[in-house]
Amino acid sequence: EPEVTQTPSHQVTQMGQEVILRCVPISNHLYFYWYRQILGQKVEFLVSFYNNEISEKSEIFDDQFSVERPDGSNFTLKIRSTKLEDSAMYFCASSAAGVREQYFGPGTRLTVT
Amino acid sequence: GDSVTQMEGPVTLSEEAFLTINCTYTATGYPSLFWYVQYPGEGLQLLLKATKADDKGSNKGFEATYRKETTSFHLEKGSVQVSDSAVYFCALSDRNSGTYKYIFGTGTRLKVLA
Repeated sequence: EPEVTQTPSHQVTQMGQEVILRCVPISNHLYFYWYRQILGQKVEFLVSFYNNEISEKSEIFDDQFSVERPDGSNFTLKIRSTKLEDSAMYFCASSAAGVREQYFGPGTRLTVT
Repeated sequence: GDSVTQMEGPVTLSEEAFLTINCTYTATGYPSLFWYVQYPGEGLQLLLKATKADDKGSNKGFEATYRKETTSFHLEKGSVQVSDSAVYFCALSDRNSGTYKYIFGTGTRLKVLA
């Protein structure tokens, strides 16, 4: 069964460093998303991406964040200068055209020290 | 804005007990509703969904009915197993939102004891 994959599973970085979280969505899906879950809190929407552009972003998704689909398979989330409060689990998700059901990856745990 | 409210956890039950996890929502449009499950150390897995009023989603013995009149989508299971121990998230996707983004509840941790 097709699945969304994410790498790395755990990333530790120092405050102020740049990180790139990688996702491979399901191959025939057209909508891509990033969510984050701070430990013990709810899963929060960050950004949605369709047709090679951002279709919606939350207020969390400030200028420090960017997304890219550099090739036909990968979908990346970049944080330019990490802060302590960026420590969270980051989930990538994808969905097919015309369908609201999203499939989630296993997540990347980002720890900023 | 849209929101989802779930009952506080943790919920601790004995094996074979009946489970209800409450979920209510507010939405400006006509949302699709979902339950996701997160097992320890894993990602979010779709458990069930409903797209219109009175639809019943079901999977693996779990059920939830889309109740427009009470804006609810409570999760139920008649007889829980130890393997059902996980965190359960209720979510909505508003049809008025062209981006299909999800709004999640806070999650409810379920612990089932043998």
